[in-house]
Amino acid sequence: DAKTTQPPSMDCAEGRAANLPCNHSTISGNEYVYWYRQIHSQGPQYIIHGLKNNETNEMASLIITEDRKSSTLILPHATLRDTAVYYCIVREANRDDKIIFGKGTRLHILP
Amino acid sequence: NAGVMQNPRHLVRRRGQEARLRCSPMKGHSHVYWYRQLPEEGLKFMVYLQKENIIDESGMPKERFSAEFPKEGPSILRIQQVVRGDSAAYFCASSPPRQRGFTGELFFGEGSRLTVL
Repeated sequence: DAKTTQPPSMDCAEGRAANLPCNHSTISGNEYVYWYRQIHSQGPQYIIHGLKNNETNEMASLIITEDRKSSTLILPHATLRDTAVYYCIVREANRDDKIIFGKGTRLHILP
Repeated sequence: NAGVMQNPRHLVRRRGQEARLRCSPMKGHSHVYWYRQLPEEGLKFMVYLQKENIIDESGMPKERFSAEFPKEGPSILRIQQVVRGDSAAYFCASSPPRQRGFTGELFFGEGSRLTVL
């Protein structure tokens, strides 16, 4: 079973920041937080990951709370092409193990 | 550097036939994962393979399904005697060997869509 909890769906106006929350209250010290997204009918796409510090790349920012029990993925200026299902996953980076996807958050970007 | 390549992208089979789905990982990647996605549902893990070895097949149905990743060539997901319930998108992902600097991310292909008539 997935070890994260996400809202099933969210709406965001085009051009605004989309903030997607994720709860991972049972995360262990050596587990990272990963975010992927799946645009309709396409293969999942890696977005970003982090351990405890906030991270930013060309796609998004990841804010992890100090106790690491939750995180937020931020898409700073959402576009219609960001409409997708977003998955939050916790796992050890170097562990030889499968990745379990939960139900994710279906993000609708509204024109 | 080409991404993960899956073929065929679309496959139609009649009940009772066999389906073979192929996955060529990214160059230098030695780990392959297969996932199944039923219509309007999430991604379900099926099997995790390294070259010539099955590491975890806990998500594979016990019958009719098999997977391999030979020393040479693509990984193959084989479904024998297909039934309508096998209709789904099958996604393959790959990752590099576990070594210093490995970030843990998976790279996915665009999927193979199987339709069973």
